Amino acid sequence: DAKTTQPPSMDCAEGRAANLPCNHSTISGNEYVYWYRQIHSQGPQYIIHGLKNNETNEMASLIITEDRKSSTLILPHATLRDTAVYYCIVRVADDYKLSFGAGTTVTVRA
Amino acid sequence: DAGVIQSPRHEVTEMGQEVTLRCKPISGHDYLFWYRQTMMRGLELLIYFNNNVPIDDSGMPEDRFSAKMPNASFSTLKIQPSEPRDSAVYFCASSLLGYGYTFGSGTRLTVV
Repeated sequence: DAKTTQPPSMDCAEGRAANLPCNHSTISGNEYVYWYRQIHSQGPQYIIHGLKNNETNEMASLIITEDRKSSTLILPHATLRDTAVYYCIVRVADDYKLSFGAGTTVTVRA
Repeated sequence: DAGVIQSPRHEVTEMGQEVTLRCKPISGHDYLFWYRQTMMRGLELLIYFNNNVPIDDSGMPEDRFSAKMPNASFSTLKIQPSEPRDSAVYFCASSLLGYGYTFGSGTRLTVV
């Protein structure tokens, strides 16, 4: 599986958009980009995933660059409850394992 | 749906004892995963099942660990004998067709 690189931590202001970057320069054509988050003491929570096109759901938007070597998760209006560790994961289409890295610790401040 | 249900939430046991962790996946999901989380190693995949059949157990640390899925609605992870280094939070997750895992709340295991 392609490796991902995320900043270890970032702060954002409540009510503002939070843009979380992820580099996956060795991604292959059949690998998906997944985002999960883990709020303290809870199990990880699925956020969104994509292959080539940008994706949006009720939680977030995923922007994947045209060369697919990086992506950005956008939380449109961050709240204090969005404080969590966010994991960017690359997964081969026919391999159902998810390998979690260290993620980005996001702190939303009032 | 109540989500993925794990029991117990907390377990404290003495070294050498057998420990059994339990998981009830979301009804209809065909994949089930067991993960372990520690501060040092983060989240590690231990084993996963598809339609109750173990597919990949390469993450199981050693023979002391075993997992079963006797039917679509129940799975166990057993550690025998337990050791202090097994102390961790163990998560179970289920998925339909391998997409968008849903994790349980985890079992915090402490081996003293």
